[in-house]
Amino acid sequence: AQKVTQAQTEISVVEKEDVTLDCVYETRDTTYYLFWYKQPPSGELVFLIRRNSFDEQNEISGRYSWNFQKSTSSFNFTITASQVVDSAVYFCALSEAWRDDKIIFGKGTRLHILP
Amino acid sequence: DAMVIQNPRYQVTQFGKPVTLSCSQTLNHNVMYWYQQKSSQAPKLLFHYYDKDFNNEADTPDNFQSRRPNTSFCFLDIRSPGLGDAAMYLCATSRTTGASSYNEQFFGPGTRLTVL
Repeated sequence: AQKVTQAQTEISVVEKEDVTLDCVYETRDTTYYLFWYKQPPSGELVFLIRRNSFDEQNEISGRYSWNFQKSTSSFNFTITASQVVDSAVYFCALSEAWRDDKIIFGKGTRLHILP
Repeated sequence: DAMVIQNPRYQVTQFGKPVTLSCSQTLNHNVMYWYQQKSSQAPKLLFHYYDKDFNNEADTPDNFQSRRPNTSFCFLDIRSPGLGDAAMYLCATSRTTGASSYNEQFFGPGTRLTVL
């Protein structure tokens, strides 16, 4: 069965520090998609990235970067030079090709960036 | 700007009193979803519409129904809300690009439901 584990329930860092959010997934499907979403206090889930299982290239977008490693079933997210506006709950998620209409979310990591 | 809109943002209802939450989208996406998110938990998919086809999750209670009168609008009806139904309800949309290709989902701001 598919499963997404975000072991860090809550993290606090001081502004400008780098922070990595961990995500480990389980799936039997060879074709699947991984996502990260941000949920700020306003409540709206904001899409950050989608990765398919055949693309293990790391991705960088500004201060955000993602490290996808199939060997360890991990899809970690790093924020470089964190800012207070990065404070939010971050969800890692998975969908499998056979049922790619359904996204399975991890429980989320609440990130506090302290000024 | 193209977006997913949910009204109202906050809804208060009484135990057992039917309530309807609404979602509209200007993205012209063919798939619309309803999620329930309880405090400090992950969003949980209730059901979704692929065009006009309704797809219910197996563990969604019968108390929850949905309507999609056209591409732009989708409604969540809770027939007899219980205290356990208090949650944030999130609407999302996505666009299929192939026979079985669902792209990323775009979420609305949510409606926070309180049951008294």
